[in-house]
Amino acid sequence: GAGVSQSPSNKVTEKGKDVELRCDPISGHTALYWYRQSLGQGLEFLIYFQGNSAPDKSGLPSDRFSAERTGGSVSTLTIQRTQQEDSAVYLCASSLGQFQETQYFGPGTRLLVL
Amino acid sequence: AQKVTQAQTEISVVEKEDVTLDCVYETRDTTYYLFWYKQPPSGELVFLIRRNSFDEQNEISGRYSWNFQKSTSSFNFTITASQVVDSAVYFCALSEAEKDSGYALNFGKGTSLLVTP
Repeated sequence: GAGVSQSPSNKVTEKGKDVELRCDPISGHTALYWYRQSLGQGLEFLIYFQGNSAPDKSGLPSDRFSAERTGGSVSTLTIQRTQQEDSAVYLCASSLGQFQETQYFGPGTRLLVL
Repeated sequence: AQKVTQAQTEISVVEKEDVTLDCVYETRDTTYYLFWYKQPPSGELVFLIRRNSFDEQNEISGRYSWNFQKSTSSFNFTITASQVVDSAVYFCALSEAEKDSGYALNFGKGTSLLVTP
């Protein structure tokens, strides 16, 4: 079946604008994860959803970041008032469920804030 | 604190050489999982292997093999007879059960492997 998809693949925005990143997990996968990959920080975990619920949002870098998941499927990561340090590749992964199943990654959204 | 250490930042080998990528991890959990992912120049993270903490058997898949040793907290990855297509960044990752973060992956910094003809 189809893998994890993310859109847009690339996004260039101006500092101060809001952006919305989308993730479509593999069908039937109940767990969804967002990560960020940047030169300085490597790969870092942002937030986890089990179904529509995100138990802990403390991994989000600042209160400008928010995420939601609806219908146990699609998730959006929103960054408000973007800053240059938000430039990174945002990766989404999904896995079957609550146990330590393998996470499968999407191609990522490359965000550049000018 | 860094939970996964990949001490080798970059490795360069000539095609057909064997190469081992090191991974050392740190955890207090008795149940955990270890992973290797490959990130080719295209950028997508490709899953290679998952190992649980109770299974120390080495694993071989074609030219790839993995050596898991709990005594030294290491999970090393060897590519035999390397090929140019093996050129990529390889990430080792640790997954522990955390109530509010699920099984989020703690990644190492990655090892960039360049295989030249």
